[in-house]
Amino acid sequence: AQRVTQPEKLLSVFKGAPVELKCNYSYSGSPELFWYVQYSRQRLQLLLRHISRESIKGFTADLNKGETSFHLKKPFAQEEDSAMYYCALSGGSSNTGKLIFGQGTTLQVKP
Amino acid sequence: GEEVAQTPKHLVRGEGQKAKLYCAPIKGHSYVFWYQQVLKNEFKFLISFQNENVFDETGMPKERFSAKCLPNSPCSLEIQATKLEDSAVYFCASRQVGGNQPQHFGDGTRLSIL
Repeated sequence: AQRVTQPEKLLSVFKGAPVELKCNYSYSGSPELFWYVQYSRQRLQLLLRHISRESIKGFTADLNKGETSFHLKKPFAQEEDSAMYYCALSGGSSNTGKLIFGQGTTLQVKP
Repeated sequence: GEEVAQTPKHLVRGEGQKAKLYCAPIKGHSYVFWYQQVLKNEFKFLISFQNENVFDETGMPKERFSAKCLPNSPCSLEIQATKLEDSAVYFCASRQVGGNQPQHFGDGTRLSIL
């Protein structure tokens, strides 16, 4: 079964601390993985996708096929990073493109 | 437009009434997706369109739910004979043709069934 799991509902850190939001997936083929972020009162927006291998707002995520994980990391958290983060999976170009989301993790960065 | 536009922002209906939600995808995007989010939980995929054709409807409830994307009109999601459990935020997303293209989301429509 296709599934995305984000084990933490809430992650609370102090400003300047490292952050890791966990994401594990279950998929039999070659998935595409995404991180979406939702800031307060704003729409869901794309943060990262694994094929781009880029860093956005200091965040990175590496696809680990052995561990079926796509954890989101940032070395030094900022207060403006406080938001809801969703990990999502798509079944690749052969799939219909629908996204399967995790439950979401609220990141709270305290001053 | 440059953003996915969903209307209305909030819709209140009595149980048993009909609800209709609208989505205007980003200009040039061929795919439209509808998701349901109940109580800030997971997003549940409902249906997708490639232009005006249904692409994947595996998430659509068999009864009461229908959707359309007609040329030169916003896409729509309609729920007949609403039930309390239909209360949710309904999100629309669109994306361009081509593999690996990300989906762009609208603000969602909050449907409250009383």
